[in-house]
Amino acid sequence: AQTVTQSQPEMSVQEAETVTLSCTYDTSESNYYLFWYKQPPSRQMILVIRQEAYKQQNATENRFSVNFQKAAKSFSLKISDSQLGDTAMYFCAFMKHPNFGNEKLTFGTGTRLTIIP
Amino acid sequence: DTGVSQDPRHKITKRGQNVTFRCDPISEHNRLYWYRQTLGQGPEFLTYFQNEAQLEKSRLLSDRFSAERPKGSFSTLEIQRTEQGDSAMYLCASSLEGTGRYYGYTFGSGTRLTVV
Repeated sequence: AQTVTQSQPEMSVQEAETVTLSCTYDTSESNYYLFWYKQPPSRQMILVIRQEAYKQQNATENRFSVNFQKAAKSFSLKISDSQLGDTAMYFCAFMKHPNFGNEKLTFGTGTRLTIIP
Repeated sequence: DTGVSQDPRHKITKRGQNVTFRCDPISEHNRLYWYRQTLGQGPEFLTYFQNEAQLEKSRLLSDRFSAERPKGSFSTLEIQRTEQGDSAMYLCASSLEGTGRYYGYTFGSGTRLTVV
């Protein structure tokens, strides 16, 4: 079974600053996918960024980037030039390679991020 | 298409009553997932459908829970004889088969259940 750990329940940062959210995971799988999802207050969860385990290059999506350390089983999210709209709950999630089967996600407990004006 | 819709948004029920939630996925999506999110926790997998077939159920899904997707479109999640421990946010998500790993799911806004 896989586990995902987010050790920072809450974080806050000033607008325009950079913030890094931590995530570690435990798995015996060699092929898998990692995700960061954002859940704004009272709104649906949306995908922020994803990483394939077999790709060494860290994923980047505009202001969002990850630091994927496969040997350390670490997958942190960096948000640059933070904006008020980044205020949300952020979940790290793991998906083992499903072949044609269930693409289910295992989530961490989340980090509540507040951007301060 | 307006995304994944869930109804109702909030439900308060008395312990012992039955409740049913509905999820309308994105019409082209043949996979539909149910997750449960309790306070302070991340979402936990409950079950998923491919078209109308329920292909996997979590051990979290006790005998009091049943899910259906009769025509491969909308899905319902019923909880019988509700208990206070069932209080949670129930999330529905959909995707096209094989694309969840690349594009993620599309989530609904959830149904928040409070059992009093």
